[in-house]
Amino acid sequence: KAGVTQTPRYLIKTRGQQVTLSCSPISGHRSVSWYQQTPGQGLQFLFEYFSETQRNKGNFPGRFSGRQFSNSRSEMNVSTLELGDSALYLCASSSRPGLRDEQFFGPGTRLTVL
Amino acid sequence: AQSVTQLDSHVSVSEGTPVLLRCNYSSSYSPSLFWYVQHPNKGLQLLLKYTSAATLVKGINGFEAEFKKSETSFHLTKPSAHMSDAAEYFCVVSVLTGANNLFFGTGTRLTVIP
Repeated sequence: KAGVTQTPRYLIKTRGQQVTLSCSPISGHRSVSWYQQTPGQGLQFLFEYFSETQRNKGNFPGRFSGRQFSNSRSEMNVSTLELGDSALYLCASSSRPGLRDEQFFGPGTRLTVL
Repeated sequence: AQSVTQLDSHVSVSEGTPVLLRCNYSSSYSPSLFWYVQHPNKGLQLLLKYTSAATLVKGINGFEAEFKKSETSFHLTKPSAHMSDAAEYFCVVSVLTGANNLFFGTGTRLTVIP
């Protein structure tokens, strides 16, 4: 079974731009969650989608948004990029919603904001 | 409030000696607890999880952890370190609040000395 895939793996953007990251979950998994990893703040939960609905949300501003498609693929969008948005963005999938089961993580997308 | 504290940012052990990575949590609700490992430039991989069954949890690669409610601890141990264990380890708490959420510790970097 193929693992979680994330595209692109690396991105460079400038302040004020917007960016869209993509995540394809493990086949059969309908829960997709997103995380931000930075040296200063560590790993932080962004949000979780299940069956195209946002189920849970962390403490991030509205510039961070996401969506999930009927095939369970998910995208995350960050608008009006700031320098502090530079981070490794990880996506994970799970067979059930609620974040209490094993999350299978992708390799991440490294975003650099200049 | 929910939180998780990893007491050591860096642990160094000699190959073949025991490993102890410490984690304390605080939660107003019954938590699910996880240990994940992250190798350089990789996503996170689940080592083990506690979800209110047996308090001693066995994971992959010889790791285990004991849930101690009275001490609010979930320390990770391994009897004998291997070079391949060198990585970053994260203690993670999932709680059933109004919206489920995952809280990550700040990570412990394990170095294994040959």
